[in-house]
Amino acid sequence: GENVGLHLPTLSVQEGDNSIINCAYSNSASDYFIWYKQESGKGPQFIIDIRSNMDKRQGQRVTVLLNKTVKHLSLQIAATQPGDSAVYFCAENVFNFNKFYFGSGTKLNVKP
Amino acid sequence: DTAVSQTPKYLVTQMGNDKSIKCEQNLGHDTMYWYKQDSKKFLKIMFSYNNKELIINETVPNRFSPKSPDKAHLNLHINSLELGDSAVYFCASSLLMGPYEQYFGPGTRLTVT
Repeated sequence: GENVGLHLPTLSVQEGDNSIINCAYSNSASDYFIWYKQESGKGPQFIIDIRSNMDKRQGQRVTVLLNKTVKHLSLQIAATQPGDSAVYFCAENVFNFNKFYFGSGTKLNVKP
Repeated sequence: DTAVSQTPKYLVTQMGNDKSIKCEQNLGHDTMYWYKQDSKKFLKIMFSYNNKELIINETVPNRFSPKSPDKAHLNLHINSLELGDSAVYFCASSLLMGPYEQYFGPGTRLTVT
């Protein structure tokens, strides 16, 4: 339940490179997942979601991969831009349970 | 147009005081939440309300009392503030309970001295 994600690690990438942010979740009953982006001084902002009946979902420059076998979620950002610098959180939800558990976040630094 | 708004954005107060944080959403959502984010950026749910009814109280001390006068508003009152209450408090809303995207407010940074 609350053991989602990692203690705030930092990922530094060069502008234009692809970024991969990882998240491990502990509840095998979780069936809905969201990635959020939190910029400094702001609230978390929805990026992309995925349900457990899928293993991949694509958005604009972002892709979420879900591996239920190993309870792993990843967020791929293509052609990372300075504006992508933020803390990224994964969150999981168990069906019919009105609660999300958030991971501790990954800080993404994009170097120009 | 602000979807989820909170006031105040910053709140500095002394131990023992009572303070309130207000939240409003104009999205027409049924469900609202309060989260606490600590200094290590860990986000933890405190309360959720659905249509003005308390759904989740995540073992929060009873010094914290949420109030939802209508489904567009969820306020948080804190009595006898303690140093450990210092954090950023986020309000959020979602269309319905359960697996739906949550929209977050800008946060209220509470500092207790």
